[in-house]
Amino acid sequence: NAGVTQTPKFQVLKTGQSMTLQCAQDMNHEYMSWYRQDPGMGLRLIHYSVGAGITDQGEVPNGYNVSRSTTEDFPLRLLSAAPSQTSVYFCASSYLSAGRDTQYFGPGTRLTVL
Amino acid sequence: RKEVEQDPGPFNVPEGATVAFNCTYSNSASQSFFWYRQDCRKEPKLLMSVYSSGNEDGRFTAQLNRASQYISLLIRDSKLSDSATYLCVVNVLGGTSYGKLTFGQGTILTVHP
Repeated sequence: NAGVTQTPKFQVLKTGQSMTLQCAQDMNHEYMSWYRQDPGMGLRLIHYSVGAGITDQGEVPNGYNVSRSTTEDFPLRLLSAAPSQTSVYFCASSYLSAGRDTQYFGPGTRLTVL
Repeated sequence: RKEVEQDPGPFNVPEGATVAFNCTYSNSASQSFFWYRQDCRKEPKLLMSVYSSGNEDGRFTAQLNRASQYISLLIRDSKLSDSATYLCVVNVLGGTSYGKLTFGQGTILTVHP
């Protein structure tokens, strides 16, 4: 299994540009999430999904859209990039086991918005 | 108040030392607790789950105090390879809360020779 994969690894955008961060998992996990990590802030939840066709907002959803048309894929779209969206983005997937929801993370996408 | 709070450190300890990290959480409905480890510029990886009775995995011991809403991680006989950021993580289970973890800001540990 490849686990959780993310593309691209690095990206530089200009203010106002749009782009999609790709995330895929091959573990047949029900739950998928997007986080951003900024220095001193820890990981903050952007959007998450509890199954195909079902998404919900996390702590910092503004400026981002998601969709979950398949179990495997959970892309994150930046509608109009802003410098405040410069961050490291992690995608994660998980499933319930013994009542616990243990998340597995992708390697991250480092995004710079100029 | 942050939902999950940790002492950011950094903690600088010699090899062989014992070091303890603390974490508090504010949501009393939290039911699932973890410690993750994150190496520099890498993704977080699960170190261990934390159970109510406390649990041990080799040199690592985790404790949970639900009454005080407090979680701890003890590392014994520290190794150079333990140098990393340790993240305290909680989850409120049920309904649409699955897939939705809350992270502390992390505690930085550096183990030196």
